[in-house]
Amino acid sequence: DVKVTQSSRYLVKRTGEKVFLECVQDMDHENMFWYRQDPGLGLRLIYFSYDVKMKEKGDIPEGYSVSREKKERFSLILESASTNQTSMYLCASSSPGGSSYEQYFGPGTRLTVT
Amino acid sequence: AQSVTQLDSQVPVFEEAPVELRCNYSSSVSVYLFWYVQYPNQGLQLLLKYLSGSTLVKGINGFEAEFNKSQTSFHLRKPSVHISDTAEYFCAGSSNTGKLIFGQGTTLQVKP
Repeated sequence: DVKVTQSSRYLVKRTGEKVFLECVQDMDHENMFWYRQDPGLGLRLIYFSYDVKMKEKGDIPEGYSVSREKKERFSLILESASTNQTSMYLCASSSPGGSSYEQYFGPGTRLTVT
Repeated sequence: AQSVTQLDSQVPVFEEAPVELRCNYSSSVSVYLFWYVQYPNQGLQLLLKYLSGSTLVKGINGFEAEFNKSQTSFHLRKPSVHISDTAEYFCAGSSNTGKLIFGQGTTLQVKP
């Protein structure tokens, strides 16, 4: 069965801390994505990666960075957390092309920055 | 610009009533369309998808959607909803880069 896991369901961090959100998929997918979800705004793409060590900025990359050292793992990094980064973060993966534009999602991490 | 628009932010409905959640996409969005559902405190789960062929697509949990090219719409319907259908629903279309473009979401509130 397809599976995307995220390291934490809930996380509370202080302003200025460095925060790591981890995502792992077991489907051998090339593409991986990080979104943030806020009420009324839907899902907004932060970064995505279409291969190991490759990354591209999404719609709202400011304040975030990513790392993809292995195919199955995609990390989102908040270099210096701020209160406006309090949000739900969702990771997804897919294979390129055709019906595989379908994305598979993890359960999400609800991050609170105080 | 590529965009997907969900026309209703909230849809309240009584149990066993029919429901329609509306979605329109811009013509620049590639015609692969999806509906996802998100139950409270969970990730997104695929309900159904349109890739090609029949314009009426059936999904899980009794949901269906109709692709209408002339109206650039992909509305989601269910003839009789249950309390357990209470959730947030997202319409999405694919771009030609493999990314998905999501609508803003519609909260379906099923009342007893």
